[in-house]
Amino acid sequence: EVQLVESGGGLVKPGESLRVSCAASGFTFSSAWMSWVRQAPGKGLEWVGRIKSKNDGGTTDYAAPVKGRFTISRDDSNNMFFLQMKSLKTEDTAVYYCASGFWALGAWGQGTQVSVSS
Amino acid sequence: DIQMTQSPSSLSASVGDRVTITCRASQSIATFLNWYQQKPGEAPKLLIYGASSLQSGVSSRFSGSGSGTDFTLTINSLQPEDFASYYCQESYSTPLTFGGGTKVDIK
Repeated sequence: EVQLVESGGGLVKPGESLRVSCAASGFTFSSAWMSWVRQAPGKGLEWVGRIKSKNDGGTTDYAAPVKGRFTISRDDSNNMFFLQMKSLKTEDTAVYYCASGFWALGAWGQGTQVSVSS
Repeated sequence: DIQMTQSPSSLSASVGDRVTITCRASQSIATFLNWYQQKPGEAPKLLIYGASSLQSGVSSRFSGSGSGTDFTLTINSLQPEDFASYYCQESYSTPLTFGGGTKVDIK
């Protein structure tokens, strides 16, 4: 069974940093393209960024609002996926989901809450 | 960036109704269009990929159609468990933009 479990969310102040993680199991993680998607309170879904598999270049892409502040990485030896967030803003407050899929996102974690407030 | 416009933003329907949700892309995306369902407090769930392919395990009440810029999600014979929010998403190019969502509630 495919399983994605996020962790590391919490309450931080504007300008601070936070790293959220996603533990993957039940599929060949090293071959997967992994994405982060967020959802602000009462709002819709917003794609944050993606990392391709190493076989496909391991490259990353980011949404404009987070480019230069967020970094996506992966640890294939431990089936882990990460989102490092720096210079956090109040508008980054959201539930952050990790998801897997090359084009369509077929598996999702349960999400982790990130709150940015002074 | 490609913009995805979903309509309506909300609708009220009854059990047994046929419901249609549309999604329009700002440029042609061929059939790189996916549909998701999200219930309150839950993660999204993939329903349709490639505009018209049903994800494994998803009820055949759900169907998708379209290509280019105009797409449709149809729910036949709406069931109580179908009351949820629905999102389209283009996967033609990054950023992988989502539509604004459609909330389907009980009339």
